[in-house]
Amino acid sequence: RKEVEQDPGPFNVPEGATVAFNCTYSNSASQSFFWYRQDCRKEPKLLMSVYSSGNEDGRFTAQLNRASQYISLLIRDSKLSDSATYLCVVNGGSYIPTFGRGTSLIVHP
Amino acid sequence: NAGVMQNPRHLVRRRGQEARLRCSPMKGHSHVYWYRQLPEEGLKFMVYLQKENIIDESGMPKERFSAEFPKEGPSILRIQQVVRGDSAAYFCASSPPEEPSTFGSGTRLTVV
Repeated sequence: RKEVEQDPGPFNVPEGATVAFNCTYSNSASQSFFWYRQDCRKEPKLLMSVYSSGNEDGRFTAQLNRASQYISLLIRDSKLSDSATYLCVVNGGSYIPTFGRGTSLIVHP
Repeated sequence: NAGVMQNPRHLVRRRGQEARLRCSPMKGHSHVYWYRQLPEEGLKFMVYLQKENIIDESGMPKERFSAEFPKEGPSILRIQQVVRGDSAAYFCASSPPEEPSTFGSGTRLTVV
């Protein structure tokens, strides 16, 4: 089993739609979790950290389920500019962030 | 704060030459990571360094690849005798301990 697994997609949604991505991780000792966004041929950029209590930043909501070892990212009211690859990142406590392969999102008019 | 600086942005090497990729972490960041990304692939961890120390190099190929982070100057990822399969984007990231990483813009290596 891979350390961090994501559905590669692509998720193809119309503007205004709500879309959710899940990510599972194998290391139960993992301590910190993040979502990054990567645009084509660009570097990954931090989108948000994921806290045990869940957190929200505008149209984006991230949640963590430690019992089932998955994290999620919900995007409401999708914009064309949300089209990108979303990377799930898990830090297992060794200071080495492990990246999922990413989920591709395409938002169309 | 200038962010994580990588250079060159693009590097073309002939097979058998050496490639040197440089990364200057953000000020105050003690952890440096190198990742490789092949076209249409995810980020693959290569090596994790702190000043003058390689902490984990489990993702580095056993031959031809080396990395350093000297007391002074940038971190260097060195690829000797490059082959076509080394063509990829190489990203450097830095962070303080237990904080999320910030990435540089990457170096795109093309081996011809």
